[in-house]
Amino acid sequence: DTGVSQDPRHKITKRGQNVTFRCDPISEHNRLYWYRQTLGQGPEFLTYFQNEAQLEKSRLLSDRFSAERPKGSFSTLEIQRTEQGDSAMYLCASSLWPSGTGETQYFGPGTRLLVL
Amino acid sequence: RKEVEQDPGPFNVPEGATVAFNCTYSNSASQSFFWYRQDCRKEPKLLMSVYSSGNEDGRFTAQLNRASQYISLLIRDSKLSDSATYLCVVTSYTGGFKTIFGAGTRLFVKA
Repeated sequence: DTGVSQDPRHKITKRGQNVTFRCDPISEHNRLYWYRQTLGQGPEFLTYFQNEAQLEKSRLLSDRFSAERPKGSFSTLEIQRTEQGDSAMYLCASSLWPSGTGETQYFGPGTRLLVL
Repeated sequence: RKEVEQDPGPFNVPEGATVAFNCTYSNSASQSFFWYRQDCRKEPKLLMSVYSSGNEDGRFTAQLNRASQYISLLIRDSKLSDSATYLCVVTSYTGGFKTIFGAGTRLFVKA
C-alpha cells in the first residue's frame, strides 16, 4: 500500500502523559499536514511542512503540541501533558506541491486518541 | 460566522434521487476548492476538485460561484453507497496557507 500511513491507529492514555504519533506520507509528496477532528466537526488544521520546514502553525496548536519532520519524509506529532480535551482523531495528509490540478491532500487513516 | 459553512443535514433520500449540497465560504481570496467524502470513523477521501467552469465525474457535478462565494455538489441517481458525510474544503494562500474544512453534510440514501 503506497498511501499515507499513521501509527498507532488507536491510543488510550491517562491525563498528564505524553504521546507521540507518526505519519508516513506518500513517498513523492513534499507537503505533509496534521489535522485534528472531533465528533461532528470537519478536520481542523494544526500545522504543515514543506519538506523538512514547518511553514505554518495554527493558533490551535498550543505549547504542548510539537511536530517535526526531520528528514522531509515521515513526521511525528507529540502532545505533552495530555488533557481530556485532546481526545480526538489526529489525521495526517500529504500532497505534492506545486501541482497543476490544485493541491490535493490525501489522508491517512488517522490516530484516535482517548485521554482518560 | 464560520469561514466555511455547510448545512449539517441529515439529508434522507431514496435510491435514485438527485440531491444537492451547498457550501459557503467567507474568504474572497480563497483559491482552491474541493469536496471530500468521509465514511463513519474513516478518513476523508477526495471526491472531486471544484473549478470555476464546473466539473462532472459520473453522477457527481461540482460548481463554483466566486461572486457569491459558494460551491455546490450535485449527486444524481443516488446509490446506497453514497451514504456518507460530504465535506467542503477551501484553501487560500494569501496571508499564509490556510485549509478550512466545513463541518460536513450527512447524507443517508435509503432503499
